[in-house]
Amino acid sequence: NAGVTQTPKFRILKIGQSMTLQCTQDMNHNYMYWYRQDPGMGLKLIYYSVGAGITDKGEVPNGYNVSRSTTEDFPLRLELAAPSQTSVYFCASSYPTRDRARGSTDTQYFGPGTRLTVL
Amino acid sequence: QKEVEQNSGPLSVPEGAIASLNCTYSDRGSQSFFWYRQYSGKSPELIMSIYSNGDKEDGRFTAQLNKASQYVSLLIRDSQPSDSATYLCAANQAGTALIFGKGTTLSVSS
Repeated sequence: NAGVTQTPKFRILKIGQSMTLQCTQDMNHNYMYWYRQDPGMGLKLIYYSVGAGITDKGEVPNGYNVSRSTTEDFPLRLELAAPSQTSVYFCASSYPTRDRARGSTDTQYFGPGTRLTVL
Repeated sequence: QKEVEQNSGPLSVPEGAIASLNCTYSDRGSQSFFWYRQYSGKSPELIMSIYSNGDKEDGRFTAQLNKASQYVSLLIRDSQPSDSATYLCAANQAGTALIFGKGTTLSVSS
């Protein structure tokens, strides 16, 4: 299994340009997430999806859009890039389960990240 | 607002010592707790998960959870220079996004 893959690894955009960050997972996970990480900070949730056709906003959704047409893919779209969107973007996936001994469990697996700079 | 708090560090320990990393969380509904290790420029890598009160050991790593105090810790025994990284504490309820702390930077000197 490749796990969670992301493309591109790096990208430089000009203000106002648009782009799509790709994310694919081959673990048949139903849940997928997009996070951003600014220097010295933890990860902030942008959008998430609990299954194909279902998406919802996270903590910092402004300036982004997502779609989930298949279980495997969860692209993140930036329509009008702004310098504030300079960050490292991580995609993650998980398969929440209920275990009689431990209760609900949900381990998230991360892709390698996309480093985006907006100038 | 749901929060996870960590000291940013840096935490410096000599090689072979025990490193102790701590974290508190605000959401009493949190069910799952995770420690991720992140090397500079890399993605977070899961090293420990814990769901029940008490200790969980895995090799040189021990996670401790105290739900009454809303406190999670990670002990790294026999610290190695390769353990130098940022350690992210995270919590969630199943099927929801992780809430991350800002991370604690650990430096292990040889």
